[in-house]
Amino acid sequence: GQNIDQPTEMTATEGAIVQINCTYQTSGFNGLFWYQQHAGEAPTFLSYNVLDGLEEKGRFSSFLSRSKGYSYLLLKELQMKDSASYLCADQTGANNLFFGTGTRLTVIP
Amino acid sequence: EAQVTQNPRYLITVTGKKLTVTCSQNMNHEYMSWYRQDPGLGLRQIYYSMNVEVTDKGDVPEGYKVSRKEKRNFPLILESPSPNQTSLYFCASRPTGGSYEQYFGPGTRLTVT
Repeated sequence: GQNIDQPTEMTATEGAIVQINCTYQTSGFNGLFWYQQHAGEAPTFLSYNVLDGLEEKGRFSSFLSRSKGYSYLLLKELQMKDSASYLCADQTGANNLFFGTGTRLTVIP
Repeated sequence: EAQVTQNPRYLITVTGKKLTVTCSQNMNHEYMSWYRQDPGLGLRQIYYSMNVEVTDKGDVPEGYKVSRKEKRNFPLILESPSPNQTSLYFCASRPTGGSYEQYFGPGTRLTVT
């Protein structure tokens, strides 16, 4: 875990699709989380991947490649309320969750 | 309603004045954790607890203490706060096993002058 890398900021248009990438260190890996955090609020859970592949949940999908230490969050049919920070976090062992610094997404009309 | 609560939500204090931030969850979760969030640094774990009377250090434990005497409560104690502990603090809980999804409290914004 740790050494999580994700873009600092992204901008996308309402109705479009955006992909937020995350790379992580593969040693001790035990799962990859995505959280959404609106400014000044608590993070809320979006997805959890432990096996390779794509997990779809409504407008949000998350992908994981364990061998590459790579994940992405895909947001479809963007809405203005999707403007938020998206936090990538990897689980190492049973107790430790390491968060990236987050990607601030701005959705514009 | 299943939730994690924190008190106070906002606190301004002075250097050296002991303070406690409370955290309580009503989901019967075994695991609880404290994080601080600072601009450009993301969420960093301070302490965590696997169950009653079982606590361990996270990444940034210096200057903090915790206790877990009851399953539902996990207070964060700053014995002698300093300005570098000015931050946004989140408490979180989850059951052991399962998907490891953590449920976060609303946050406590602490300013130490």
